[in-house]
Amino acid sequence: KAGVTQTPRYLIKTRGQQVTLSCSPISGHRSVSWYQQTPGQGLQFLFEYFSETQRNKGNFPGRFSGRQFSNSRSEMNVSTLELGDSALYLCASSGAESYEQYFGPGTRLTVT
Amino acid sequence: GQNIDQPTEMTATEGAIVQINCTYQTSGFNGLFWYQQHAGEAPTFLSYNVLDGLEEKGRFSSFLSRSKGYSYLLLKELQMKDSASYLCAVRDGEYKLSFGAGTTVTVRA
Repeated sequence: KAGVTQTPRYLIKTRGQQVTLSCSPISGHRSVSWYQQTPGQGLQFLFEYFSETQRNKGNFPGRFSGRQFSNSRSEMNVSTLELGDSALYLCASSGAESYEQYFGPGTRLTVT
Repeated sequence: GQNIDQPTEMTATEGAIVQINCTYQTSGFNGLFWYQQHAGEAPTFLSYNVLDGLEEKGRFSSFLSRSKGYSYLLLKELQMKDSASYLCAVRDGEYKLSFGAGTTVTVRA
């Protein structure tokens, strides 16, 4: 089985721009969660999607949004980028045994 | 919010045993997880505890006491490849997963 894939792997954007990141879960997995990882804050939960519906949401501003498609692929969008949004964005998928999450390699976003 | 505490760093010798403690305070509880993360890589799942007691998986064991809000990850027969960050994560009553800051384990020859 192919693992979780994320595109792009690296991205450089300018303050004020917007960005869309993509995540393809493991085949058959219907839950996709997104996390932000920074050296200062560690891993922080952004949101979780299940069957195209947002099931859970962390404490991030409305500039962070996401969606999930019928094939379980998910995208997250960050609008009006700030310098502090520079981070590694990880997505993780889980299947029937929902306690085990499989992480993708992440997208390294740098905002200048 | 959730409060999850674990030591920042630990150092041990190859072949030794290291125990990483994690204490937590959450609104509700639906499981505690341990992940391993090598530098520059994504976290990988190690263990899951939802009931009190010890779960053993090869060289790694994880213990949970829900009444004490306490868990530990035990790494036995340490190998150089075990040098990594170990993340404690707790799923709360709303099934949100919160992570501790991670414990960097350095294994020395």
